[in-house]
Amino acid sequence: EAGVAQSPRYKIIEKRQSVAFWCNPISGHATLYWYQQILGQGPKLLIQFQNNGVVDDSQLPKDRFSAERLKGVDSTLKIQPAKLEDSAVYLCASSLGPLGYEQFFGPGTRLTVL
Amino acid sequence: GQQVMQIPQYQHVQEGEDFTTYCNSSTTLSNIQWYKQRPGGHPVFLIQLVKSGEVKKQKRLTFQFGEAKKNSSLHITATQTTDVGTYFCAGIGGGSNYKLTFGKGTLLTVNP
Repeated sequence: EAGVAQSPRYKIIEKRQSVAFWCNPISGHATLYWYQQILGQGPKLLIQFQNNGVVDDSQLPKDRFSAERLKGVDSTLKIQPAKLEDSAVYLCASSLGPLGYEQFFGPGTRLTVL
Repeated sequence: GQQVMQIPQYQHVQEGEDFTTYCNSSTTLSNIQWYKQRPGGHPVFLIQLVKSGEVKKQKRLTFQFGEAKKNSSLHITATQTTDVGTYFCAGIGGGSNYKLTFGKGTLLTVNP
């Protein structure tokens, strides 16, 4: 069974530039999560989708971050414009059902903002 | 909001020694999950605890959920070099606070 796919794996941009990350969850997984993991910290939930609807985006900085999950399958996370403090690993995870199900994480995208 | 704290932040042991990491929540939890993240890797699900006072074992790993469902622990018996990594607890709040919050993790290093 294929795991969660993410691209790109690495991205370096300058502050005020835009960047987008892509995630393809495990086939059949209804729930998709985007996390931000800053070095030395635990993952911080940015947004949770159930199929193509948003369940929780309370910690998403909506002035600069946006995410969509069209057709309830793959998803994109965008940052526009990026700030230095956005440097982190962005992890995508998926699960069969809502919170309480095992989450399967992708390899992540390491973003460096200069 | 809900906070999940983990201690210690780091733990270095000799191979064969035991290891324990503790997780405490500011609010009563519905469930708690544990993940392991190898250096340079992504979190991998280990287990989920749901019931008050629950104890689960996976080979050398023992997981406990407190009676009040506000704390949890992970104990590894006789550590091996393959146990190296960061162990995270992730609490799911109860009632209207049904959100997932990760702790900062405990980094375990093992000296062979």
